[in-house]
Amino acid sequence: AQSVTQPDIHITVSEGASLELRCNYSYGATPYLFWYVQSPGQGLQLLLKYFSGDTLVQGIKGFEAEFKRSQSSFNLRKPSVHWSDAAEYFCAVGANDYKLSFGAGTTVTVRA
Amino acid sequence: SQTIHQWPATLVQPVGSPLSLECTVEGTSNPNLYWYRQAAGRGLQLLFYSIGIDQISSEVPQNLSASRPQDRQFILSSKKLLLSDSGFYLCAWSLTDRDGDEQYFGPGTRLTVT
Repeated sequence: AQSVTQPDIHITVSEGASLELRCNYSYGATPYLFWYVQSPGQGLQLLLKYFSGDTLVQGIKGFEAEFKRSQSSFNLRKPSVHWSDAAEYFCAVGANDYKLSFGAGTTVTVRA
Repeated sequence: SQTIHQWPATLVQPVGSPLSLECTVEGTSNPNLYWYRQAAGRGLQLLFYSIGIDQISSEVPQNLSASRPQDRQFILSSKKLLLSDSGFYLCAWSLTDRDGDEQYFGPGTRLTVT
């Protein structure tokens, strides 16, 4: 079965600084990979997804992620963080079973 | 475009009372439907998923049940709530014609069992 690990529980970053969130997955074949963002008390919003092709994926809100098969990673990045990026971020992996497996999430705090 | 609705938005229920949470999807047909629970400070736990109106799978044995009375309606129920049922309940949908497709989430229901 597939699984996801997000090693960082909480990250604090200054506004305007760059952000990188780590995600490692476990799956025997080529996975479907996703990043979601959740603001407090809200549902999850899809930021970006990787199915195949170009390993650098662009998403909404200025985010991008890079799939590295050799490292089983799908890290999320943003060059310059805005205060509105403070939220919880979830990495997820999908296989051929209609389900997604989510990581435990990384909470991002943005300081002025 | 597709939209997903959940209600109620918040709910406070005593231990031992019944529960019914509703989720409906608009703008698509025959979606896959999902119920997740998110406990405070924790990730998402998949509770049930349905790939068709008569196909509901349970991921975690517990006192909750799910039903799909219509193609785009998914209901989460309990006969007797436990304190441990408190949490944030999220409904999601995805397309059925592709495995591993992205899921789209509703706004959630905050359930507090007292």
